[in-house]
Amino acid sequence: GNSVTQMEGPVTLSEEAFLTINCTYTATGYPSLFWYVQYPGEGLQLLLKATKADDKGSNKGFEATYRKETTSFHLEKGSVQVSDSAVYFCALSDANTNAGKSTFGDGTTLTVKP
Amino acid sequence: NAGVTQTPKFQVLKTGQSMTLQCAQDMNHEYMSWYRQDPGMGLRLIHYSVGAGITDQGEVPNGYNVSRSTTEDFPLRLLSAAPSQTSVYFCASNPQRSGSSEQFFGPGTRLTVL
Repeated sequence: GNSVTQMEGPVTLSEEAFLTINCTYTATGYPSLFWYVQYPGEGLQLLLKATKADDKGSNKGFEATYRKETTSFHLEKGSVQVSDSAVYFCALSDANTNAGKSTFGDGTTLTVKP
Repeated sequence: NAGVTQTPKFQVLKTGQSMTLQCAQDMNHEYMSWYRQDPGMGLRLIHYSVGAGITDQGEVPNGYNVSRSTTEDFPLRLLSAAPSQTSVYFCASNPQRSGSSEQFFGPGTRLTVL
């Protein structure tokens, strides 16, 4: 079956530091890959996605590249802000099945200190 | 659009009690899902629906029932609450069958079973 493995947290960084959160996956076929972000007390919201190999998703300064050869989708940001403090989830969906059956990683909690 | 709404936000139950978590969306999405979020375990799929009148089980369906009588509503019923069902519950919807579409999440219901 499908699975997603995320870098264990929590991660604590100083403002303006470089962020990497690792995500690797196991899936049959050609999944779509997502990063969702969950701010305190809220539901998850899409941060970025990539639907095929070598695609780069980007949003709000965050980037992730779909690497089929290493089955990875690592999240990066060059300079984090205090407002980026949240829980980040990597997820995948099979291209041919309902996106509502997504598989999620365990989540990585990021805290950014001023 | 209100998006995906969930009620209540918080609930405390005693073991053996029953209750219904409400979920509604106003985006005319065909697909809706229920997840539970537990510390260190990411999101796990409980039940999902591909349209009115059609539901199916996810990864952890035991102890929960769902129905989908309208496109808008997808309630989750706990038949006889147990402490193991203490969790945060998220409802989500997505607009199309393709695995490349993002999911839209509600704000969550935090349930405690004593």
